[in-house]
Amino acid sequence: KAGVTQTPRYLIKTRGQQVTLSCSPISGHRSVSWYQQTPGQGLQFLFEYFSETQRNKGNFPGRFSGRQFSNSRSEMNVSTLELGDSALYLCASSLIAGEQETQYFGPGTRLLVL
Amino acid sequence: AQSVAQPEDQVNVAEGNPLTVKCTYSVSGNPYLFWYVQYPNRGLQFLLKYITGDNLVKGSYGFEAEFNKSQTSFHLKKPSALVSDSALYFCAVRDTESGGYQKVTFGTGTKLQVIP
Repeated sequence: KAGVTQTPRYLIKTRGQQVTLSCSPISGHRSVSWYQQTPGQGLQFLFEYFSETQRNKGNFPGRFSGRQFSNSRSEMNVSTLELGDSALYLCASSLIAGEQETQYFGPGTRLLVL
Repeated sequence: AQSVAQPEDQVNVAEGNPLTVKCTYSVSGNPYLFWYVQYPNRGLQFLLKYITGDNLVKGSYGFEAEFNKSQTSFHLKKPSALVSDSALYFCAVRDTESGGYQKVTFGTGTKLQVIP
């Protein structure tokens, strides 16, 4: 079974631009979560989607948005990029079975904002 | 305010010895607690999750974690450390009783170094 895939793997943008990152979960998984990892702020939770609905959201400004499609693939968008948005963006998928939930992470997208 | 503390930036342990990586938390309601591991040049991996019930949670790679409500701790343990366990470990808490969105907070991470 294929793992979680994230595209692109590396991205360079300039301040003010926008970016869209994609995450394809493991087949059959309906939950997708997004995280940001930076040296300064560490790991932070961005969003969680389940069956196309945003189920949870972290404390990020409105420039950060996401969505999930009917095939469970998810995208996150960051508009008006700032230097501080440079980070590793991680996506995780999970098969929700009651409260027993194992997350599987993708390799991440490394975004550099210049 | 919700918080997670991993008081040790680095833990060194000899191969074959038991290891403990500490985590304490503060939440307003009942927590879900998680441990993750990040190996060098590899992605983040889920180790285990505490929801409710047994205070000892078993996870991947022989790891387990002990939930202690009175001490608000969720320490990660393994009876016998392997060199391959050397990695960065993160504790996280999710507040299940916050209205609306459930706040998720990560610790700053603890680097585990297993010495051959």
